[in-house]
Amino acid sequence: QQPVQSPQAVILREGEDAVINCSSSKALYSVHWYRQKHGEAPVFLMILLKGGEQKGHDKISASFNEKKQQSSLYLTASQLSYSGTYFCGFSGADGLTFGKGTHLIIQP
Amino acid sequence: EAQVTQNPRYLITVTGKKLTVTCSQNMNHEYMSWYRQDPGLGLRQIYYSMNVEVTDKGDVPEGYKVSRKEKRNFPLILESPSPNQTSLYFCASSLKTSGRRETQYFGPGTRLLVL
Repeated sequence: QQPVQSPQAVILREGEDAVINCSSSKALYSVHWYRQKHGEAPVFLMILLKGGEQKGHDKISASFNEKKQQSSLYLTASQLSYSGTYFCGFSGADGLTFGKGTHLIIQP
Repeated sequence: EAQVTQNPRYLITVTGKKLTVTCSQNMNHEYMSWYRQDPGLGLRQIYYSMNVEVTDKGDVPEGYKVSRKEKRNFPLILESPSPNQTSLYFCASSLKTSGRRETQYFGPGTRLLVL
């Protein structure tokens, strides 16, 4: 069963913040986040391995609440280069399952 | 250069004509998998392999076959393609089994159209 991602799409102006949420009904080992530009392969952003873990680089960070089986991706002071589709991937007993994606559009 | 390669990148075929999409990685990864991507449905796993001669079904395995005779190669076989298999296909690999704790590296994708 795919993780539930929200929102489905976001339109921001450059410099604004965004949050993408992901939740699962199954027990999780880890959470993966990927970004995909149109026509390209998904590219790894980060993995969170422990409940409560938070990670980040540049102005993109994420958190993982293992008890609630939820993860959130935070994009701060968004840049034009952040545009794309973001996927969360939840790793459980039967492998890695991706959400349907969140389309992020950054306008100048 | 460390990479995952797929061939062909684009393919148009007709219903029922068997085809194979190849996937190869040069990183000595144990775990490999195939995904299909369709609008509004995201990435759905077709099959995965934890090591040579070990394969397992993902979420949408119907109509597909795979084999893992060598560590570096993981071909996807469509014995009798149908139009509902028109999609964008990605192969991915990661260093260790299950991919739970590892980054997955994706190939460039294969766009398939079945008429």
